Amino acid sequence: NAGVTQTPKFQVLKTGQSMTLQCAQDMNHNSMYWYRQDPGMGLRLIYYSASEGTTDKGEVPNGYNVSRLNKREFSLRLESAAPSQTSVYFCATHQRQGGSGYTFGSGTRLTVV
Amino acid sequence: SQQGEEDPQALSIQEGENATMNCSYKTSINNLQWYRQNSGRGLVHLILIRSNEREKHSGRLRVTLDTSKKSSSLLITASRAADTASYFCATFPSEYGNKLVFGAGTILRVKS
Repeated sequence: NAGVTQTPKFQVLKTGQSMTLQCAQDMNHNSMYWYRQDPGMGLRLIYYSASEGTTDKGEVPNGYNVSRLNKREFSLRLESAAPSQTSVYFCATHQRQGGSGYTFGSGTRLTVV
Repeated sequence: SQQGEEDPQALSIQEGENATMNCSYKTSINNLQWYRQNSGRGLVHLILIRSNEREKHSGRLRVTLDTSKKSSSLLITASRAADTASYFCATFPSEYGNKLVFGAGTILRVKS
């Protein structure tokens, strides 16, 4: 049981390049989230998907796009990477019913030079 | 903007001592959660306390919630070196629907 799998684990991009961060879950959870973590800032929500077929902006959506491909997969795309997007990105899943917490992936460390 | 703020930002204690971390938040909530993050890893859910609960225990963890003061505390008793990690409180604000909002975290170092 893998839980939440993120790929890649590390990536270095040049300014202006594009890339897609992948997230897949086998938890059968309806909701999926993308957060970024910067030193001293905690986690900030970029985008989320409450259920398959829906996506909504979070606190810091500028410069990102997302796709909820199916119930299992939620991808985050950087169309034109900027140094300000250097961060650690976490995908998380949640099933609202049952009062449980979020399940996080192990993260993608992205550096934009 | 962040909903929760943890205090202290960093805490260093000896193995066997208790560690207390505090969290304050701004708006009404459905529940409050605590997470642990080991260096270079993802966050792990520790405990959830609902807005109508005042105290909850899980193993060596004790969480309190005071909704009148909009604050919570996490107590780790008899700390171990393996408890060294960052600890985050996160709130499920009543009006934000299905979104968890995190604080900046407390870095805990347990010295053996």
